[in-house]
Amino acid sequence: AQSVTQLGSHVSVSEGALVLLRCNYSSSVPPYLFWYVQYPNQGLQLLLKYTSAATLVKGINGFEAEFKKSETSFHLTKPSAHMSDAAEYFCAVRSSSNTGKLIFGQGTTLQVKP
Amino acid sequence: GAGVSQSPRYKVTKRGQDVTLRCDPISSHATLYWYQQALGQGPEFLTYFNYEAQPDKSGLPSDRFSAERPEGSISTLTIQRTEQRDSAMYRCASSRQTGELFFGEGSRLTVL
Repeated sequence: AQSVTQLGSHVSVSEGALVLLRCNYSSSVPPYLFWYVQYPNQGLQLLLKYTSAATLVKGINGFEAEFKKSETSFHLTKPSAHMSDAAEYFCAVRSSSNTGKLIFGQGTTLQVKP
Repeated sequence: GAGVSQSPRYKVTKRGQDVTLRCDPISSHATLYWYQQALGQGPEFLTYFNYEAQPDKSGLPSDRFSAERPEGSISTLTIQRTEQRDSAMYRCASSRQTGELFFGEGSRLTVL
């Protein structure tokens, strides 16, 4: 069965610093992996997705993630944090190839300090 | 519609009452999902529909929970005899078959 673990429920960085949000997955089939962002009082928005093409995936707002099969990881990074990046971030894996159903991690809240 | 619309945005109810939440998906989307998100947790799958068919309802926590999508468009999630542990954000998403999920803003349910 597929599952996702996000390491660290809260991450705090200074504005302009590197953002690193960690995600490890477990999957019995080649995984499709996703990062979603949730701003307060809004729905989840797709940041980026990995679908077995390039292992380095670029998303919106300057975020990117690298799929590492050997480490079963899909960590999210951004070189320079902006105040507007403060939000909750969720990593997710598709449960199987014939459905869009997603299994989510527990989320990481990103705080950006001025 | 242009996006996924959920109503009500907020619902406060007393324990034992029934509650119905509504989701209006993006009009071209065949697939509709319901998720439950407790405070401080990630969304947990409840059920999904392909048009009016409901292939998977494995995530519904008990028989007090039911969902329907009778005409393959708008869906409702009903919780009967609500309990305090049902308090959560209920999120609806829609997609084209196995494509990207687009989420609504959610319905926050509080059971007193």
